[in-house]
Amino acid sequence: GQSLEQPSEVTAVEGAIVQINCTYQTSGFYGLSWYQQHDGGAPTFLSYNALDGLEETGRFSSFLSRSDSYGYLLLQELQMKDSASYFCAVRSGGYQKVTFGIGTKLQVIP
Amino acid sequence: SQTIHQWPATLVQPVGSPLSLECTVEGTSNPNLYWYRQAAGRGLQLLFYSVGIGQISSEVPQNLSASRPQDRQFILSSKKLLLSDSGFYLCAWSGHSYQETQYFGPGTRLLVL
Repeated sequence: GQSLEQPSEVTAVEGAIVQINCTYQTSGFYGLSWYQQHDGGAPTFLSYNALDGLEETGRFSSFLSRSDSYGYLLLQELQMKDSASYFCAVRSGGYQKVTFGIGTKLQVIP
Repeated sequence: SQTIHQWPATLVQPVGSPLSLECTVEGTSNPNLYWYRQAAGRGLQLLFYSVGIGQISSEVPQNLSASRPQDRQFILSSKKLLLSDSGFYLCAWSGHSYQETQYFGPGTRLLVL
């Protein structure tokens, strides 16, 4: 089966940098995605990594190491609006199936 | 552009009552469709996914079922709700490539009393 591990909570200061880690175990790995979910809302897509390395999108970056079954989401210049839950997710098996981690609740404090 | 609809937005149901949640997608054809459940403060649990009309893969639930009667319609049902069925139900769609992003609907909050 598939399993993903990520920290349940992280607190960081406005303007700082925070890294949210994700380790996974899966068969037939096709890539690691990250989603953001604000309280009461639906998840929205942030980034996707299929190959090793860093992908940058504005203040957000995502990293993948396939050999280590590990990835992270890096948020720079934190803003209060970044307070949300962040989920890593993998496609596996026949790649139509998507499994999510438990989510990391990020609290940004002044 | 593509749009995904879910209804109702909120629902309060007694234990033992039936359930029907509907999800429809506009602006795309032959999408993959997914049902997730999220308990309060918890992660997303995959319940069902479908790669085409009438094709349903079940991941977990025993008293829930899903159907896909039309290409862009996905229905989640139960004959008898349990207290443990309370949660936030999210429908999502994606394309068929492994790189495809999932797009989520606004969700249905279900409270079973």
